Amino acid sequence: DAGVIQSPRHEVTEMGQEVTLRCKPISGHDYLFWYRQTMMRGLELLIYFNNNVPIDDSGMPEDRFSAKMPNASFSTLKIQPSEPRDSAVYFCASSPRGAGGTDTQYFGPGTRLTVL
Amino acid sequence: GQNIDQPTEMTATEGAIVQINCTYQTSGFNGLFWYQQHAGEAPTFLSYNVLDGLEEKGRFSSFLSRSKGYSYLLLKELQMKDSASYLCAVRGYSGAGSYQLTFGKGTKLSVIP
Repeated sequence: DAGVIQSPRHEVTEMGQEVTLRCKPISGHDYLFWYRQTMMRGLELLIYFNNNVPIDDSGMPEDRFSAKMPNASFSTLKIQPSEPRDSAVYFCASSPRGAGGTDTQYFGPGTRLTVL
Repeated sequence: GQNIDQPTEMTATEGAIVQINCTYQTSGFNGLFWYQQHAGEAPTFLSYNVLDGLEEKGRFSSFLSRSKGYSYLLLKELQMKDSASYLCAVRGYSGAGSYQLTFGKGTKLSVIP
């Protein structure tokens, strides 16, 4: 089975532009997570979904960030307008269960975003 | 909320044993994970502890003491390919009605010949 798929792998854009990151979770996984990783702050949870429904978006930095999951096999993270401080690696992860047990999260390869 | 501390960097010699420590404060503890992340790659799962004690998996072992808020990852017979960052992550109650993983900033391990 394919792992978590993310696109694009690299994105370079200019400040003020809209950026859309895409994720396809592992088939059959109920949970989908969006993380951001920087040297200064490490790996931070932005938002996660259970069965396509957003459960906790308390990590979304501000209104410029939005995430959707229209179906079980696709999610997007959008930044509009983008700013240089948004430069980071954005990971998508999926899990068969989000709490309890030993169900772990499987990470995609990440999207390296650079905002000039 | 959650707070996780681990050393920023460590260096060890090929063939040796290294212990990476992690201390945490959390509400609603529901498990501790260790992930390995090679430079430029995604984190990959190494181990999981929810009860006190040692979990062994090949060359890697992970220990947990819930009363002390402490865990360590033990790597034996170090190989050059073990050079990576090791992330400690705690699953706790977020206060928003859900559990979530909070990651430490990672320990960058360099294995030298």
